[in-house]
Amino acid sequence: GDSVTQMEGPVTLSEEAFLTINCTYTATGYPSLFWYVQYPGEGLQLLLKATKADDKGSNKGFEATYRKETTSFHLEKGSVQVSDSAVYFCALSLNTGKLIFGQGTTLQVKP
Amino acid sequence: EAGVAQSPRYKIIEKRQSVAFWCNPISGHATLYWYQQILGQGPKLLIQFQNNGVVDDSQLPKDRFSAERLKGVDSTLKIQPAKLEDSAVYLCASSLGQGARETQYFGPGTRLLVL
Repeated sequence: GDSVTQMEGPVTLSEEAFLTINCTYTATGYPSLFWYVQYPGEGLQLLLKATKADDKGSNKGFEATYRKETTSFHLEKGSVQVSDSAVYFCALSLNTGKLIFGQGTTLQVKP
Repeated sequence: EAGVAQSPRYKIIEKRQSVAFWCNPISGHATLYWYQQILGQGPKLLIQFQNNGVVDDSQLPKDRFSAERLKGVDSTLKIQPAKLEDSAVYLCASSLGQGARETQYFGPGTRLLVL
């Protein structure tokens, strides 16, 4: 069935380090892909999305490119800040709009 | 623009009791979703409404869970009777329309603990 797999956490980085969180998916159709973020004590927020192959989503310095050939949507940021500490969820959506989430990756950024 | 509202924020009950959660979506959003998020996992869809009709309830444990969206606006999710494994955060989300490209906006969630 349709599914999303994310790299295991927690990921611990120093401020200004480069971030990559891997995400791969399995889908029968042509999904849209999303990254959602959950800051401590807050609800899920959309970080970025891509709706077709080779699209790049970007927001707040984060980027992810929809790679159909490798069924991947890896999240990257060139220089993380302490305020980026959160749980990051990769998700896919098919025709009905239902979101299928990965298990989440906790990012901890130390000053 | 007001976001998705949910209440209560926290609820503690004993097993076999019943509980209800309420959600008010963003004004004008036709599609409403209820997700269950167990600790350490990603959210899982329980039920999806388009206006007041059910689009997908394939993952809803219908022997104990029920949901309604009578006037196509706000929605209620009920559990009766609750089990220990129902301890989770229940998230409501809404979107303008239905489809793979739509962005879903999430409420703050209701954290349920079943003792």
